[in-house]
Amino acid sequence: DIQMTQSPSSLSASVGDRVTITCRSSQGISRYLNWYQQKPGKAPKVLIYAASSLQSGVPSRFSGSGSGTDFSLTISSLQPEDFATYYCQQSYSIPQTFGGGTKVEIK
Amino acid sequence: QVQLRESGPGLVKPSQTLSLTCSVSGASLSSSDYYWSWIRQHPGKGLEWIGYIFHSGGTYYNPSLKSRVTISVDTSKNQFSLELTSLTAADTAVYYCARYKQVLYDYYFDYWGQGTLVTVSS
Repeated sequence: DIQMTQSPSSLSASVGDRVTITCRSSQGISRYLNWYQQKPGKAPKVLIYAASSLQSGVPSRFSGSGSGTDFSLTISSLQPEDFATYYCQQSYSIPQTFGGGTKVEIK
Repeated sequence: QVQLRESGPGLVKPSQTLSLTCSVSGASLSSSDYYWSWIRQHPGKGLEWIGYIFHSGGTYYNPSLKSRVTISVDTSKNQFSLELTSLTAADTAVYYCARYKQVLYDYYFDYWGQGTLVTVSS
């Protein structure tokens, strides 16, 4: 299985901050990397697919980059509704695997 | 508007079999662009892909669960189902059904059910 490692596991930030979350895969996965946002008690919601493609309806303050083994999700200006847990997921090979999550909390 | 909704028991005894159903509206399970998936999340933990079924009825399962999992589809009801056998407390989790969308060579989970908590306890 491909292991997905996210860092940090949690962070505290203020509204308006620029936030970057990283995800590293245990082997190269080209650009087959997706990002999800999950709020408490809710299902995950896709933000970015194929490393950098913004899902329809997702605000443009979210962006993704990377290829190979190193990826990042950036929120350019954190909004109150962005406080949540973020997961990366590789779609390169079965079994699809997720990172352990990054919880973004209010400072 | 695509909607998925899980249904099934919230409490199951150890060693028994879990059966969950996902009812889909706004999309056809017969479409070749989607894979219909089950994913679970242990309390306070990350996400684990269980498996999926596609329009031809073919299935792929997570090797870690493969010996205990069966996913099936009923296109007449636009539903797909999960069976997980030989349950233990380690199977306590929120179970989600989700649609895995294919866009050229890219795949991602674009629609999810609301999730259903399954507790394994005597």
